[in-house]
Amino acid sequence: DTAVSQTPKYLVTQMGNDKSIKCEQNLGHDTMYWYKQDSKKFLKIMFSYNNKELIINETVPNRFSPKSPDKAHLNLHINSLELGDSAVYFCASSQGQGWGGYTFGSGTRLTVV
Amino acid sequence: AQSVTQPDIHITVSEGASLELRCNYSYGATPYLFWYVQSPGQGLQLLLKYFSGDTLVQGIKGFEAEFKRSQSSFNLRKPSVHWSDAAEYFCAVGAGAQKLVFGQGTRLTINP
Repeated sequence: DTAVSQTPKYLVTQMGNDKSIKCEQNLGHDTMYWYKQDSKKFLKIMFSYNNKELIINETVPNRFSPKSPDKAHLNLHINSLELGDSAVYFCASSQGQGWGGYTFGSGTRLTVV
Repeated sequence: AQSVTQPDIHITVSEGASLELRCNYSYGATPYLFWYVQSPGQGLQLLLKYFSGDTLVQGIKGFEAEFKRSQSSFNLRKPSVHWSDAAEYFCAVGAGAQKLVFGQGTRLTINP
């Protein structure tokens, strides 16, 4: 059983389209995150949710809208995709503030053409 | 603001040789420090973490790290690397509630 699963693994789409990435965790964690990894491998937090409540929104364009229907799921919807959105998006989860460490999904590679 | 610096973008070592990956952090309070490893096409896996107590922490896969407050460092070490250790390694600091700040990563290549 995969602890943090993301779908799809790969996503190729044209500029201007809208797309969603789904994330589910079966660890019973109460906090979930979205991180963006750029082409230089730099990882930057985008959002964190604790018990379905938005905790961190790290100056992400409002074309990105996270949705947490319950504490086991955190989806990411992106409107009007731009070339600069091409990256690998990682979902992660943790218990509480995460000082026990995060568990990451295997990532979604988004390519905007 | 919290930050993490990994001075070495790419390191190459021979199989069986020892390894040290450097990490320096900037954080005003007592830091929570982590090392993660990312294999190609994979997510990040936690190697080890430091909160308090013994400054030498042991992790998985034979890795250890030493916290040195005076040097603001948390270097990762392994006495003898294996070809399977080739990967990207990330140091991270816990920067307030529900937020990890990552370094730029160090790519490790192993020569046979």
